[in-house]
Amino acid sequence: AQSVTQLDSHVSVSEGTPVLLRCNYSSSYSPSLFWYVQHPNKGLQLLLKYTSAATLVKGINGFEAEFKKSETSFHLTKPSAHMSDAAEYFCVVSESGTGGFKTIFGAGTRLFVKA
Amino acid sequence: NAGVTQTPKFQVLKTGQSMTLQCAQDMNHEYMSWYRQDPGMGLRLIHYSVGAGITDQGEVPNGYNVSRSTTEDFPLRLLSAAPSQTSVYFCASSSRRTGDYGYTFGSGTRLTVV
Repeated sequence: AQSVTQLDSHVSVSEGTPVLLRCNYSSSYSPSLFWYVQHPNKGLQLLLKYTSAATLVKGINGFEAEFKKSETSFHLTKPSAHMSDAAEYFCVVSESGTGGFKTIFGAGTRLFVKA
Repeated sequence: NAGVTQTPKFQVLKTGQSMTLQCAQDMNHEYMSWYRQDPGMGLRLIHYSVGAGITDQGEVPNGYNVSRSTTEDFPLRLLSAAPSQTSVYFCASSSRRTGDYGYTFGSGTRLTVV
C-alpha cells in the first residue's frame, strides 16, 4: 500500500541554520517523489522531484532532497534557512499501477524561521 | 501568465445550496484534479480527469460532481452544500498521465458552509 509520513508537524529553526524536513514513504512500485511548498493563502508550488534518475535531487531556492531506497526516506534539506522559507511543506508520492496512477500527500510540515 | 486559474477565491454558502467552483488551465495539460485541504490532513483527492470526456473518483468524491468537456476546463460542482464541505479547494493539472512530472496548482478557493 502506498503511504507518506512526514515525521514532524512543526519544525523551528533560526535564520542561517540548516533545515531538515523528514519524509518516509511506502510504495509497491517504483515511485516518483516530490516536495511542494505552500506559503500562507497560496497554492502549492513544486520544489523538486525524484523520478528514478539521480538520488540527490536539487530544487529551487537552495533546497535539495536525497532518495534513500533502503531507508524509504526522502528528506528535504537546505544548508541555510532564510526568513522567506517559512511555509508549509508537503512530501508527495506518486506511483503508476494497473489502475492508473495514484498520488498521496503527506500531512505537511510547517517550517518556522526565527530571526 | 500560463497556469491554473481558480474562481472564486472565497465563497460562503448556506447549507443545501449548490455552486460550481471553476478551474481553467492554459498549458494543454491532459490531467486535471480537484483536492480539498483540511488542517492536519494534507490534500485529499476528490475527482480527477485524464482527458476531455474522462473523469473518475478520488478518495473523497461524495457530494461532488465533475465534468470535462474541454481540455482547458474542469469545474467542480457541490450539489447540496454541507458544513463538512467547509475547506480549501485546489485544482491541479499535469502534463503526463502518470503524474511523474509534478502538478501545477491553482491558488485555491476557500469555501465556508454555514
